[in-house]
Amino acid sequence: QVQLVQSGAEVKKPGASVKVSCKTSGYTFTSYGITWVRQAPGQGLEWMGWIAAYNGNTNYAQKFQGRLTMTIDTSTITAYLELKSLRSDDTAVYYCARGLTPWEIPHHLVNEYWGQGTLVTVSS
Amino acid sequence: EIVLTQSPGTLSLSPGERATLSCRASQSISSSYLAWYQQKPGQPPRLLIYGASTRPTGIPDRFSGSGSGTDFTLTISRLEPEDFAVYYCQQYGGSPPYSFGQGTNLEIK
Repeated sequence: QVQLVQSGAEVKKPGASVKVSCKTSGYTFTSYGITWVRQAPGQGLEWMGWIAAYNGNTNYAQKFQGRLTMTIDTSTITAYLELKSLRSDDTAVYYCARGLTPWEIPHHLVNEYWGQGTLVTVSS
Repeated sequence: EIVLTQSPGTLSLSPGERATLSCRASQSISSSYLAWYQQKPGQPPRLLIYGASTRPTGIPDRFSGSGSGTDFTLTISRLEPEDFAVYYCQQYGGSPPYSFGQGTNLEIK
């Protein structure tokens, strides 16, 4: 069955960087894209970006441009999110999610399978 | 950037009742690329509807979606106790960011 297992909780100081991993299994990794979504405590969902596991092409939300990097490792079928220059308002649960359909088919940006979430706390 | 506005913010209903949740977009969403998710505390979201009206395999048929252009609706025909949660719409048409609405909290009356 499809599974996305994320790395554990992180505590970082302002200005630091964090890298969250999303280990996948149960499907052909390169056929689907991975979306990253975050959720601040008690708040709604925020779309951060998407990466095509086929070739590493990315789309980032403008607000994260310059601070956000999404990558993939096809040898370990793992996706990564790295966020730099952390601020207190980056404190959130970060989720990875797999697309509903293969990346070249409509609805590939719909998020069907989700990781369990990774809490990133930014505090001095 | 497309802004999605969900209403109401909170909906208080009893099991067995019908729930109607609204999602309005600031501009037309191409090809009805609109999805609905359910989220319970401490859990990731769960996909309920995509393409405005299509249920993925395993989603009960009491959940239905409708709408096009800028106005979309999620209807839960007869509420079960496990349906009380927060619901989000998301658009995924056109250019990113593929934004979410702010959510509707469906609570037990």
